[in-house]
Formats: sequence, C-alpha cells, structure tokens
Amino acid sequence: EAQVTQNPRYLITVTGKKLTVTCSQNMNHEYMSWYRQDPGLGLRQIYYSMNVEVTDKGDVPEGYKVSRKEKRNFPLILESPSPNQTSLYFCASGTAQETQYFGPGTRLLVL
Amino acid sequence: GEDVEQSLFLSVREGDSSVINCTYTDSSSTYLYWYKQEPGAGLQLLTYIFSNMDMKQDQRLTVLLNKKDKHLSLRIADTQTGDSAIYFCAEATSGTYKYIFGTGTRLKVLA
Repeated sequence: EAQVTQNPRYLITVTGKKLTVTCSQNMNHEYMSWYRQDPGLGLRQIYYSMNVEVTDKGDVPEGYKVSRKEKRNFPLILESPSPNQTSLYFCASGTAQETQYFGPGTRLLVL
Repeated sequence: GEDVEQSLFLSVREGDSSVINCTYTDSSSTYLYWYKQEPGAGLQLLTYIFSNMDMKQDQRLTVLLNKKDKHLSLRIADTQTGDSAIYFCAEATSGTYKYIFGTGTRLKVLA
C-alpha cells in the first residue's frame, strides 16, 4: 500500500531533550516536506527536500533540522525542544507539484 | 510576505451546497489547491487549479478562481455529513515547492 508513515504518532518530552520524528514513504517520491499545524495558524512548512542531499527552508525552520540521506526517509530533528514547538507535525511527499501525500501526523507535547 | 486567508467556520444543512472561500496575496502563485482534513487524520488533496484557469469541476466539487481579486472558492454540491471536515486552501509557485496554506475552514454539515 502506497503511504507516508511517521513515528512516533504521539510524543511527550521535556525541554531540551533531543528528539527525532521519522518519516518514510514507499512511493519513490523525490519531494518530501515537514509541516506543523497549530490552531488558528493552519499548516506552516518547516523544511522541504527536492531530492537526496537537497533540503531547503520553509516558513518556520528555526529550532528544527532535517536530513535526506536516502530518498525514502526524511527525519525531523529537534536538537533542543522548547514548549513553543508543541504542535501537530505532518510529513508529506510527492512527485510533482500537483500532488502531496500526507502522513497521519505526530502530536508532540514539550513540557 | 505571502498570506492565505479563510473564514474559520461554515455550517450547512445536508443536501445544500457549501461554498468555502479563500483569498491569497502572492500574484506569482501558479498552483492553487484544496485539501480536506478529517478528524485525527492527515490532509488529503481534493483538487487543484492552475492559475491560468477560471474554473475546474470534478464530480460534486467546483473550483472557481478570480485571479484579479486573488480569490479562490470551493463549492461542494449536495453536501453530505461525510463532508464535515476542515478544508484548507494552499498556493505554490511553479518550481519552488514552497507551499503556503490557509488557516482552514471547519465545515459542519447538519443532518
């Protein structure tokens, strides 16, 4: 089944403790992206990647890191999480600008 | 900077038509999208329109684009309870893969 998977789906952590949210797609898509969704703000793009070893900043990259060492994986790294990074995170992938396929989301709470 | 605005809520009766509106600011936008988010799920692409089109119809969905006013609308004919969800409009400029999403409109369909 073609899909975008994220792990974990739910995460509670404390300020400053490094964490990684994984994203994997099995559709051989070149494009992958991370978003955060906050009430009243909609979705905001954090980082995106056009291909292996190619990443670019979205609208809200501060406090986040990404890497694209393999085509199928695009992990999101929070080196020192803070409470303002509490949010619902979505990974997405696609082959062309017409479509994006979204993962199920990761709900993060930073205490 | 770029901005995409939507009204927050819309309530309609089952069987009526729903019209969800969106305004955007980036005149260089090439792609305009409508996504649907059901409770607890990721976003699902409903349809998209190129900026050189005025209208696109896909079964119960009709998208209208007024490029002069930078106004996009999504009409859902014969709205059903299963259409209750949050609807996001989004824009992107060709080749950038940088997406700007609106805040989302929560559609509630009353039986």
